[in-house]
Amino acid sequence: NAGVTQTPKFRVLKTGQSMTLLCAQDMNHEYMYWYRQDPGMGLRLIHYSVGEGTTAKGEVPDGYNVSRLKKQNFLLGLESAAPSQTSVYFCASLLAGGSGANVLTFGAGSRLTVL
Amino acid sequence: AQTVTQSQPEMSVQEAETVTLSCTYDTSESDYYLFWYKQPPSRQMILVIRQEAYKQQNATENRFSVNFQKAAKSFSLKISDSQLGDAAMYFCAYKESGANSKLTFGKGITLSVRP
Repeated sequence: NAGVTQTPKFRVLKTGQSMTLLCAQDMNHEYMYWYRQDPGMGLRLIHYSVGEGTTAKGEVPDGYNVSRLKKQNFLLGLESAAPSQTSVYFCASLLAGGSGANVLTFGAGSRLTVL
Repeated sequence: AQTVTQSQPEMSVQEAETVTLSCTYDTSESDYYLFWYKQPPSRQMILVIRQEAYKQQNATENRFSVNFQKAAKSFSLKISDSQLGDAAMYFCAYKESGANSKLTFGKGITLSVRP
């Protein structure tokens, strides 16, 4: 039972560098999400996807891009990292229908530090 | 946009006692879901309890129960017989029932349990 797997778990970047966070789920969930967690701010939605090939902006999308080429994978990209993007990033997936619907399953989080 | 408010940033409870965590939300919808998630120091997000707005009966999961007041838009979590393992950050979250809906989190409350 892998659930939702995020890689990498930790990363340190220099300002201006780029990187991609990978989220993979093996539960055949339709919806996938990327959140960031900062002290005192709760979890804020960056981007989300309601299905393969579709993405949409969340609450704080600036500076991030996403892609969902396969149903099981949701990638979060930082093209030019900034110190303000230092955060813990969570991926989550959700089943749209059925008995387990509407419950987010989270990955373990990825801590990103931008120097 | 929907908002979720957790006005108490921190709370403390004596082991074996009962504690209630408050949450209010703002919505014009009639059909939606409410959640409490727990985040222990391991950082993993764990679903504690879920409430469907159309159900009048308050959800219960072992020592965890909610007081759902739909008219007042209030969704509090009661933890009975508190244990040391209950120490964590707790997030209240809201989700509309529509197919394209997002899940919105409150800022969280840190619960400490005194032995």
